[in-house]
Amino acid sequence: KAGVTQTPRYLIKTRGQQVTLSCSPISGHRSVSWYQQTPGQGLQFLFEYFSETQRNKGNFPGRFSGRQFSNSRSEMNVSTLELGDSALYLCASSRGPDSNEQFFGPGTRLTVL
Amino acid sequence: AQSVAQPEDQVNVAEGNPLTVKCTYSVSGNPYLFWYVQYPNRGLQFLLKYITGDNLVKGSYGFEAEFNKSQTSFHLKKPSALVSDSALYFCAVRWGAESGGGGADGLTFGKGTHLIIQP
Repeated sequence: KAGVTQTPRYLIKTRGQQVTLSCSPISGHRSVSWYQQTPGQGLQFLFEYFSETQRNKGNFPGRFSGRQFSNSRSEMNVSTLELGDSALYLCASSRGPDSNEQFFGPGTRLTVL
Repeated sequence: AQSVAQPEDQVNVAEGNPLTVKCTYSVSGNPYLFWYVQYPNRGLQFLLKYITGDNLVKGSYGFEAEFNKSQTSFHLKKPSALVSDSALYFCAVRWGAESGGGGADGLTFGKGTHLIIQP
């Protein structure tokens, strides 16, 4: 069974631009969560989607948004990029919102110049 | 609010010796506790979890962890360290469903502990 895939793996953008990251969960998994990992703040929860609905959102500004499609694939978007948005963005999938095990993808490394 | 503390930024252990990576948590109700490992340029890999039942949980690669409710701890242990165990380890907590949570909140992670196993 294929694992969680994230595209692209690496991305370089400049301040003010916007970016879209993609995540394909494990087949059969319907819940997708997004996390931001930085050296200073560590791993922080962004949001979780299930059945195309955002179930919960972490403490991030409105520039961070996401969505989930009917096939459970998810995208997250960051608008008006700031230098501080440089991070590893991790996607995790699970069978459902009450599942206790999340499987993480390799992440997308975003660098904002 | 839930929180996790990993008091050590780095732990150094000689190969073959036992290792412990510490984790304490703060959460209302019953916690769901997890350990993940991250190798360079890789995503997180699940090691083990505590949901309910036996306080001693066994996981992947010979790791185990003991849930201690009175000390609110969930330390990761391994009897004999390998050089290949060198990585970044994260403890995480989630609010248990029976306490009113339903997993809707994301995992709250500790800052991570670098485990270095010296040959």
